[in-house]
Amino acid sequence: NAGVMQNPRHLVRRRGQEARLRCSPMKGHSHVYWYRQLPEEGLKFMVYLQKENIIDESGMPKERFSAEFPKEGPSILRIQQVVRGDSAAYFCASSTSSQREQYFGPGTRLTVT
Amino acid sequence: AQTVTQSQPEMSVQEAETVTLSCTYDTSESDYYLFWYKQPPSRQMILVIRQEAYKQQNATENRFSVNFQKAAKSFSLKISDSQLGDAAMYFCAYRSGQGSSNTGKLIFGQGTTLQVKP
Repeated sequence: NAGVMQNPRHLVRRRGQEARLRCSPMKGHSHVYWYRQLPEEGLKFMVYLQKENIIDESGMPKERFSAEFPKEGPSILRIQQVVRGDSAAYFCASSTSSQREQYFGPGTRLTVT
Repeated sequence: AQTVTQSQPEMSVQEAETVTLSCTYDTSESDYYLFWYKQPPSRQMILVIRQEAYKQQNATENRFSVNFQKAAKSFSLKISDSQLGDAAMYFCAYRSGQGSSNTGKLIFGQGTTLQVKP
């Protein structure tokens, strides 16, 4: 049973470009969470999605960031017009329900040059 | 709002010895869960142990155990017989329990870097 998959593992973007991060949850999991980890800090919640629905986006920056979890395919975290402050590790986690353990992917390290 | 605090940025332990990592949290909720996650240099987040707030008994997983003091809002992790592979960053995390406002999101502390000396 494959774990949570994230790609790419490393992504380099220049300021002003768009970044797309993908997350495929574990088989049978329909709940996806995105977290961001800035250097030397803990993980911060960004958004919680179920298939075709955003349930909680209280941690998402108001501008430039968006997320989706379509009926088919992976969940996508999209960052438009990236800035240097967006450089971080972005982790996706999935679970069978909001009450169960979250299993994390290996993360995507975004570097903005 | 709930907060999680880890006051030890770095800890070290001799191989085979025991070490305790501290975590305190603040909440007005009575139903919640607490977790310890391990993040080795690979950066993969690994669940180490979980504690339900309604359970008085401290959780144990092999060499890992917790000291859960609900009244003091303290949740420390004890690692016995430390091994070189235990070297990692350790994060304490909080999650609200069941309820209409619970979306399951985890609230993490700042982390403690554990060094294991051979």
